[in-house]
Amino acid sequence: AAGVIQSPRHLIKEKRETATLKCYPIPRHDTVYWYQQGPGQDPQFLISFYEKMQSDKGSIPDRFSAQQFSDYHSELNMSSLELGDSALYFCASTPRGESGANVLTFGAGSRLTVL
Amino acid sequence: QQPVQSPQAVILREGEDAVINCSSSKALYSVHWYRQKHGEAPVFLMILLKGGEQKGHDKISASFNEKKQQSSLYLTASQLSYSGTYFCGTEIKNRDDKIIFGKGTRLHILP
Repeated sequence: AAGVIQSPRHLIKEKRETATLKCYPIPRHDTVYWYQQGPGQDPQFLISFYEKMQSDKGSIPDRFSAQQFSDYHSELNMSSLELGDSALYFCASTPRGESGANVLTFGAGSRLTVL
Repeated sequence: QQPVQSPQAVILREGEDAVINCSSSKALYSVHWYRQKHGEAPVFLMILLKGGEQKGHDKISASFNEKKQQSSLYLTASQLSYSGTYFCGTEIKNRDDKIIFGKGTRLHILP
């Protein structure tokens, strides 16, 4: 069965650089979530999209932006990277349109290291 | 708004039982339970919708007390494969699009 695909799996950047993470949800899943997880921490909700529109926002820094495209894939853009942005970034998708239960399927994550 | 989980960590021997609790200060629509192994993605275990239902499969079950805004995850006769960090996630309303996770409970099963 198709899963949530995230790319790249690993990314190393310098401070003040820019990074873009991509997420391809499970086919027919219309809702995408982004989470940031630091070492030993819980996943922190960043932002979610439903049918290509931003549906909710969490603790996402102003330096970050995200969007969902017409093919439902999503991209998280991070600018002016800081050391504290080093984390595992998860994307998750759910077929919210089919039912009210938002069961999340997570991708394998993108590990960002900022030097 | 973040749900509170307890205990923070549990060490068990294989075959023993465990209970992990999750509570919220806000009225909840649903409670999710996920398990995450080190370096891997969280994996869905079960979801409980308001109504006080209880769910389970195999030796893992959960309950949701809507009035108390509390959920508990029960692991019976634990297996080595149960080791990992368990997160509860909560939604305030239907189609919330914002699932907030607790800080997690680390479960370590000894042979």
